[in-house]
Amino acid sequence: DQQVKQNSPSLSVQEGRISILNCDYTNSMFDYFLWYKKYPAEGPTFLISISSIKDKNEDGRFTVFLNKSAKHLSLHIVPSQPGDSAVYFCAAIYGGSQGNLIFGKGTKLSVKP
Amino acid sequence: DTGVSQNPRHKITKRGQNVTFRCDPISEHNRLYWYRQTLGQGPEFLTYFQNEAQLEKSRLLSDRFSAERPKGSFSTLEIQRTEQGDSAMYLCASNRERTGELFFGEGSRLTVL
Repeated sequence: DQQVKQNSPSLSVQEGRISILNCDYTNSMFDYFLWYKKYPAEGPTFLISISSIKDKNEDGRFTVFLNKSAKHLSLHIVPSQPGDSAVYFCAAIYGGSQGNLIFGKGTKLSVKP
Repeated sequence: DTGVSQNPRHKITKRGQNVTFRCDPISEHNRLYWYRQTLGQGPEFLTYFQNEAQLEKSRLLSDRFSAERPKGSFSTLEIQRTEQGDSAMYLCASNRERTGELFFGEGSRLTVL
């Protein structure tokens, strides 16, 4: 029973265009959401996060949007760069937990020059 | 390098053998997590330490798995009587706050033949 779902295994985007990665969740008790990026043979690295009391958080080229009523969040990358090519994981923290992250299966983003 | 350090990076073992992985977190982080990642999946939570206390364990952590953090610094994850299904990447992560950025190591890849 996947509580955090990333339904697109892969996404291909042209350099300079917008990349939109989507994530759906089922547990309304999640109170914090994060995006991680992972290159091959490396551990995941933190990208951006959002609290459940907000609907948007922006950091440079990266913006995360949260729609609580739809239990949906998305990561926008504008403009996309070839170095953004990686696997992106959506993750959530369950309210009341010790902070352990529940991850989706990831979306592999390829940015073409 | 003051990041999260894991060793060994790769371990190949025969079924039935015991293996141990070590994680050295970022020195000022009192929270330490172990995750497991298999191909095509996101990282799955195994266990969590705050200082030397193991405060949370996933149901994925069978009785063949044991984790320790004896002095609240480094941690070890031991797998006894390994099975082929244990083949995975074992990731360690640390942070200071429940919703603080989780810093991951590069992982220890286990292959059970």
